[in-house]
Amino acid sequence: AQSVTQLDSHVSVSEGTPVLLRCNYSSSYSPSLFWYVQHPNKGLQLLLKYTSAATLVKGINGFEAEFKKSETSFHLTKPSAHMSDAAEYFCVVSVGGSQGNLIFGKGTKLSVKP
Amino acid sequence: DAGVTQSPTHLIKTRGQHVTLRCSPISGHKSVSWYQQVLGQGPQFIFQYYEKEERGRGNFPDRFSARQFPNYSSELNVNALLLGDSALYLCASSLASGGFSYEQYFGPGTRLTVT
Repeated sequence: AQSVTQLDSHVSVSEGTPVLLRCNYSSSYSPSLFWYVQHPNKGLQLLLKYTSAATLVKGINGFEAEFKKSETSFHLTKPSAHMSDAAEYFCVVSVGGSQGNLIFGKGTKLSVKP
Repeated sequence: DAGVTQSPTHLIKTRGQHVTLRCSPISGHKSVSWYQQVLGQGPQFIFQYYEKEERGRGNFPDRFSARQFPNYSSELNVNALLLGDSALYLCASSLASGGFSYEQYFGPGTRLTVT
């Protein structure tokens, strides 16, 4: 069965410093992995996706993630945090196939200090 | 282009009542999925519909049901509401069901409060 584990429920960084949000996955076959962001009182927005092409995936707003099969990880990074990055981030794996539903992690709340 | 739209935005119901939530997908998208997001948790999959047929069902009781219409819009129905049904209900649309690159676009959600 597919699952994702977000290793930190809350991450706090200072503006201008790097961001690292950690995610491990479990999948019986090559997964499709995503990172979504949810700002307060807003819907979910897709940041980036991995679908077995390049292992380093670039997304919107300067975010990127690296798929590491040997470590079953898909960590999200950004070189320099902005205040506007403060939000909830979800690591997601797709069941795929005929169902194609998404399985979400519990989320990591990112706080950015001035 | 219009994104995924959901109605109503907010809803307050009493225990035991019935509720219907509505979703309109992005134009051209044929698949709609429903998710429940309880406060402080990630969204949980409820249903997926593609071409008016149910393609997937999450671990939710039979009080939850859904359908998709010929114009690909969808309704989520919940009967005999419980306090624990209070949550943000999210609708997502995609071009197709499953597939190698499965990308879903989410609406803003309907906030349901059961008192």
